[in-house]
Amino acid sequence: KAGVTQTPRYLIKTRGQQVTLSCSPISGHRSVSWYQQTPGQGLQFLFEYFSETQRNKGNFPGRFSGRQFSNSRSEMNVSTLELGDSALYLCASSLDTGGTDTQYFGPGTRLTVL
Amino acid sequence: AQSVTQPDIHITVSEGASLELRCNYSYGATPYLFWYVQSPGQGLQLLLKYFSGDTLVQGIKGFEAEFKRSQSSFNLRKPSVHWSDAAEYFCAVGARTNAGKSTFGDGTTLTVKP
Repeated sequence: KAGVTQTPRYLIKTRGQQVTLSCSPISGHRSVSWYQQTPGQGLQFLFEYFSETQRNKGNFPGRFSGRQFSNSRSEMNVSTLELGDSALYLCASSLDTGGTDTQYFGPGTRLTVL
Repeated sequence: AQSVTQPDIHITVSEGASLELRCNYSYGATPYLFWYVQSPGQGLQLLLKYFSGDTLVQGIKGFEAEFKRSQSSFNLRKPSVHWSDAAEYFCAVGARTNAGKSTFGDGTTLTVKP
């Protein structure tokens, strides 16, 4: 079974631009979560989607948004990029059976904002 | 609110020596606990998890961890470290009622000396 895939793997943008990152979960997984990883702040939870609905949200500004499609694929969007948005963005998927779920992570998208 | 503390930012051990990485968590109920490993530029790979039952859990690559409720700890151990174990290790706690959202520690970087 294929793992979580994220595209693109690397991205360079300039301040003020917007960016869209994509995540394809493991087949059959219904929950997709996004995390931001930076050297200073570590791994921080952005949001989680389940059945096309945002179910959980972390403490990030409204410039960070996401969505999930009917096939469970998810995208996250960052508008008006700032230098501080440079990070590794990780996507994780899980079955979400309501019990003992495990999150499986993708390789991440490395975003650099210049 | 849930939180995770990894007291050791960096640990150096000799190849063949034993390893213990510390993790303390804060959570109001019985938590889901995880250990992940991350190689440079890569996503997170799950080493092991604890949901319930036997407090000593076995994982991949010869790792094990012990859940100690009285100490709010979930320390990761390996009897004999290999050079390929050099990486960053993250402890995480997930909530049964907050599926899809994990809180991570700041990580411990492991260096293995030949």
